[in-house]
Amino acid sequence: DAGITQSPRHKVTETGTPVTLRCHQTENHRYMYWYRQDPGHGLRLIHYSYGVKDTDKGEVSDGYSVSRSKTEDFLLTLESATSSQTSVYFCAISDWATSSYEQYFGPGTRLTVT
Amino acid sequence: AQTVTQSQPEMSVQEAETVTLSCTYDTSESDYYLFWYKQPPSRQMILVIRQEAYKQQNATENRFSVNFQKAAKSFSLKISDSQLGDAAMYFCAYRPVGVYSGGGADGLTFGKGTHLIIQP
Repeated sequence: DAGITQSPRHKVTETGTPVTLRCHQTENHRYMYWYRQDPGHGLRLIHYSYGVKDTDKGEVSDGYSVSRSKTEDFLLTLESATSSQTSVYFCAISDWATSSYEQYFGPGTRLTVT
Repeated sequence: AQTVTQSQPEMSVQEAETVTLSCTYDTSESDYYLFWYKQPPSRQMILVIRQEAYKQQNATENRFSVNFQKAAKSFSLKISDSQLGDAAMYFCAYRPVGVYSGGGADGLTFGKGTHLIIQP
């Protein structure tokens, strides 16, 4: 299994509070991604990174920001959490140079916004 | 925008039987990768099999094989000799090949999933 960890694994927070989710990899892969999974929607891309300090928006980026100061860490921040952001969040990594675009996923973080 | 459609929200099969999960996609690209991911109750996303569009030969991984029909934009997953451990959500995913173009193009586009039940 790819070395990807996510923290925290579960979190309950109140509406309006800031939340930061962390993804950490030990594979030295260049590309990192954040997805959210909701019933009936599959996984949808929030933001991704193609290098340190290089990030771009995905399909559902509103209300989220990201940062990547080191190759191994990719942070997802909800500036002011809303109930619509209750979801399971997955981090993924990819290394196009050595693979066929497949992505390897972390264990997920279940976030509940009350 | 690319879309991936899995028309079977749920499938059920007897243990040891064969089951086929359907996936269709819409794209104007000529080269791309297609994937099947498995998500068991543990929630972990596990890559099952991959197929590159320019390769005509269907990919196979042990009991898992695909039927890739490029003209029909169809990518079905066949699971032979189904086992209880195959019970999971299965997601079909798409990713175009090519130079980074931004705008989220580098992510995978997923279908909504098929819940596979294995009857003992």
